[in-house]
Amino acid sequence: GNSVTQMEGPVTLSEEAFLTINCTYTATGYPSLFWYVQYPGEGLQLLLKATKADDKGSNKGFEATYRKETTSFHLEKGSVQVSDSAVYFCALSAPQTGANNLFFGTGTRLTVIP
Amino acid sequence: NAGVMQNPRHLVRRRGQEARLRCSPMKGHSHVYWYRQLPEEGLKFMVYLQKENIIDESGMPKERFSAEFPKEGPSILRIQQVVRGDSAAYFCASSIDSSYNEQFFGPGTRLTVL
Repeated sequence: GNSVTQMEGPVTLSEEAFLTINCTYTATGYPSLFWYVQYPGEGLQLLLKATKADDKGSNKGFEATYRKETTSFHLEKGSVQVSDSAVYFCALSAPQTGANNLFFGTGTRLTVIP
Repeated sequence: NAGVMQNPRHLVRRRGQEARLRCSPMKGHSHVYWYRQLPEEGLKFMVYLQKENIIDESGMPKERFSAEFPKEGPSILRIQQVVRGDSAAYFCASSIDSSYNEQFFGPGTRLTVL
């Protein structure tokens, strides 16, 4: 089946620190992989995505590389800001398996302190 | 281009009442997905609809829950005889089609059952 396992939080970092949030997946076939961000009181926003192996998604200084050999899609940012404080969700889609929905990890809450 | 609209943003119901959650997809999107987010958990798929059709309701409880997406008007998620365990954030997402295209999320409806 399809599933996503995500590093549990919460994660607290100082401003300008390096961020890594681990995400691994199980899927049949060739899923697309996503990172979504949820700011307090808001819905989910797509942060970045990758649709095939070795693709790197990037946005707003965040990056994640689709690693088929390790079934991973870890989120990284070189220097976090207070405004990055949010909950981050790793997700996959695998429509070729007949599932039309996204499969989400449990989310990782990031707090960045000045 | 307006994003995905959901209303109400907050809904309070007493046990046994009915809850109706509305979702208007992005312009040009004919695919709608409903997800539920329990406190401190990730999003869980409930149902996938296209105009006038339920395509996949594998994630929706068999009793008390129903969804529709009529030819005209928003998609409706209806919960009858609500119980405390229904308290959650309900998110709607829309997409152009069901392939690898991105799902765009609304701000969610936070349902509280007293």
